[in-house]
Formats: sequence, C-alpha cells, structure tokens
Amino acid sequence: AQSVAQPEDQVNVAEGNPLTVKCTYSVSGNPYLFWYVQYPNRGLQFLLKYITGDNLVKGSYGFEAEFNKSQTSFHLKKPSALVSDSALYFCAVRDEDGANNLFFGTGTRLTVIP
Amino acid sequence: ETGVTQTPRHLVMGMTNKKSLKCEQHLGHNAMYWYKQSAKKPLELMFVYNFKEQTENNSVPSRFSPECPNSSHLFLHLHTLQPEDSALYLCASSREIRVAGTGELFFGEGSRLTVL
Repeated sequence: AQSVAQPEDQVNVAEGNPLTVKCTYSVSGNPYLFWYVQYPNRGLQFLLKYITGDNLVKGSYGFEAEFNKSQTSFHLKKPSALVSDSALYFCAVRDEDGANNLFFGTGTRLTVIP
Repeated sequence: ETGVTQTPRHLVMGMTNKKSLKCEQHLGHNAMYWYKQSAKKPLELMFVYNFKEQTENNSVPSRFSPECPNSSHLFLHLHTLQPEDSALYLCASSREIRVAGTGELFFGEGSRLTVL
C-alpha cells in the first residue's frame, strides 16, 4: 500500500535562508511523487511532480525537489525563503499503475520569519 | 483561481439537518473527487467520479451521499452528521482518473463544515 510520511509538523526558517521540507514515501512500484501547497483559507495548489527522468525537479515559485530512490525520499527545497512561502505543504504519492488516487501526507507548516 | 469553485465556503449545521455541498469545475475535466481534510491527518479521499460514474468509495459512512449529474458538477449531500465530521471538504478535478505521467489535481478552496 502507498503511504507518505512528513516527519515535521512545523518548519521555521529565516527569510533569505534555504528551506527544506522532508518527505519519505512507500509504494510498491515506481512512484509518482507530488508536492502541493495550501495557503490560508485556500485549496491545495500543485507545485511540482516527479514521474521519471532527472532526479531534481523544478516547480513553481522557485521550489525544487530531489527524488532519492535509495532513501525513498522526495524533499522539497528552495534556496532562499520568502515570507510569502509561509503555508502548509503536502507531499503525495501514487504508484505508476494506480488510478489517480493520490495518497497525501499529514502536511508540514512552513513559517518564514522576517 | 484554479477553475474549481466550491459553495458554500462555510457551513454550520446541527446533527439532524440536511445540507449539501456543491462543486463546479470549468476546466473541461472528466474526473472529480471529494477529499476530507482534518487537522494533523492526511487528506482522506472520499469519492471519485469519472465521466459521471462513481469509481471509488473509500468506506465513507452513508450519511455522506455524493451526486455527480455531469462531468462539471459534483455534490456532497449531508444528513445526520456527527461532530467528528467537522472538517474542510475539498473538491478536486483532473482530466481523467488514470492520467499516466501527470496526476495533477486541481482543488477548490474547500467548504469548512462545522457540525454542532
């Protein structure tokens, strides 16, 4: 069965510093991995995805994520955090043979401190 | 604006009330989903519709009743709910349910439900 773990409920980072939001996954076959962001009082917005190919995936708003098969991880990163990046971030996974049923993590709240 | 609109944004209801949540997508998608978002829990997939046909029901109690009259509209009918059903209910859509290589879901802003 597919599952996603986001080990940190909360991540705080100073504005201008690099940020990392962690995600590990479990899936039977090859994974399709996603990051979504949720701003206050809003629905989830797609940030980026890994399907195949280059392990470093670039997405919206300057975010990127690195797929690491040996560590079954897909951490979200940004070189320089902005206050406006403060939001709830969700990692999601499905296997390549599955229907479009994404399994989401519990979310990590990112707070960027001015 | 994601192209997925949910109404109402906020709903307070008693345990004996009957109400409905509405979702409309303007993206020409064929698949629509209901998710439940509770604090500190993973998003729970409730129902999936593909071309108006229900393809998945994740053991959701019968007090939640979905309806999909066409590919653009999705409803969630609510009756005799419990306080633990209080949550943010998110509607999403995608081109199809088996979107190999993409899987991108477009979410509405959610309906915040409080059951007293």
